[in-house]
Amino acid sequence: EDQVTQSPEALRLQEGESSSLNCSYTVSGLRGLFWYRQDPGKGPEFLFTLYSAGEEKEKERLKATLTKKESFLHITAPKPEDSATYLCAVQAYGQNFVFGPGTRLSVLP
Amino acid sequence: GAVVSQHPSWVICKSGTSVKIECRSLDFQATTMFWYRQFPKQSLMLMATSNEGSKATYEQGVEKDKFLINHASLTLSTLTVTSAHPEDSSFYICSARGRESREQYFGPGTRLTVT
Repeated sequence: EDQVTQSPEALRLQEGESSSLNCSYTVSGLRGLFWYRQDPGKGPEFLFTLYSAGEEKEKERLKATLTKKESFLHITAPKPEDSATYLCAVQAYGQNFVFGPGTRLSVLP
Repeated sequence: GAVVSQHPSWVICKSGTSVKIECRSLDFQATTMFWYRQFPKQSLMLMATSNEGSKATYEQGVEKDKFLINHASLTLSTLTVTSAHPEDSSFYICSARGRESREQYFGPGTRLTVT
């Protein structure tokens, strides 16, 4: 059975304090790993898709990396507006998305 | 691009009534649409998947007679909660995927409160 875990459950950072969020997964035949950002009371906003181990993608202060067992979302010099819940999802071939529980990030000014 | 809208954004209804939620892909053709449910501080739970012109596929434990899904066109899917009860109160989110796409793009969600 495909599984996704995320750590930490919650993370508080000072503005400018870089850190990483982890998404660990077990899946038979990875079709894609997806990162989303979700603000309270809103739908998830698409950030990245990673397809194979070794792949990296960047967007502003965010950088996502992928290995065969986990993905990291690195946040460099975060700002308060980066506060949100970050969701990771994996998809195996022929299957639907499996979402992780998310990491609630708070960036304090 | 890849914008998905939902209507209404919030709705309050009385127990026993039915409520319809619309999900639209605004700038792409959604061959597949998904309906999720999310409880406070929890992740998304997939309820059902629908392909345009086909019957929806429901996840285990989701009552298909209670949560009616219609994917009538490549830009519109609807979820109807029939005979709603307070335990159906939740945040319902749809997502859409294009024919050649792997990504799902989510709508802003609908907050349903059943009194």
